[in-house]
Amino acid sequence: DAGITQSPRHKVTETGTPVTLRCHQTENHRYMYWYRQDPGHGLRLIHYSYGVKDTDKGEVSDGYSVSRSKTEDFLLTLESATSSQTSVYFCATAGTGVWGYTFGSGTRLTVV
Amino acid sequence: EDKVVQSPLSLVVHEGDTVTLNCSYEVTNFRSLLWYKQEKKAPTFLFMLTSSGIEKKSGRLSSILDKKELFSILNITATQTGDSAVYLCACREGGGFKTIFGAGTRLFVKA
Repeated sequence: DAGITQSPRHKVTETGTPVTLRCHQTENHRYMYWYRQDPGHGLRLIHYSYGVKDTDKGEVSDGYSVSRSKTEDFLLTLESATSSQTSVYFCATAGTGVWGYTFGSGTRLTVV
Repeated sequence: EDKVVQSPLSLVVHEGDTVTLNCSYEVTNFRSLLWYKQEKKAPTFLFMLTSSGIEKKSGRLSSILDKKELFSILNITATQTGDSAVYLCACREGGGFKTIFGAGTRLFVKA
């Protein structure tokens, strides 16, 4: 996961509060993704970006928004956190013509 | 709806055993199938397969894709305790932007 930094690594927040997770890459990769990982579900795509200011929804996008104002940074915002959003969140990147993802180390989010 | 299904969900073996992990898929505009290994943190890339019948090998790990029957297998020979991990199968689809993951197979190798 060299070149991809997620912050924070761990966070506990209260229901109803907004939360922003950050993914920063130094790979100059075009594509960036946010996944959540829950037991029994594997990795599920929340949102992805195919360029600066170009984003689209994944399969579990409700309650989440994203922004990508520059190539290096992809932000995931939980607009009003709920307990069902307790999960481990992974950021991933891929370059043009590079088909395997590079993953960040993950953010463990607990909503109480 | 696109889906990737892995089996078994978990597996316990002894060192030296050979294991086979299965992955079946139904993905619109299939582009490629990928295998990842996940230990304590982030998944790490193992293989990408795009054509049927092409076996990828890396040491004790090998994988085959069958695009007609829509499945792939990952073989690990002479297993070691360091092989203990969750193995994820994923399919890249459509314009190549998205990758769909299976739930994973948790492998535990006993010493």
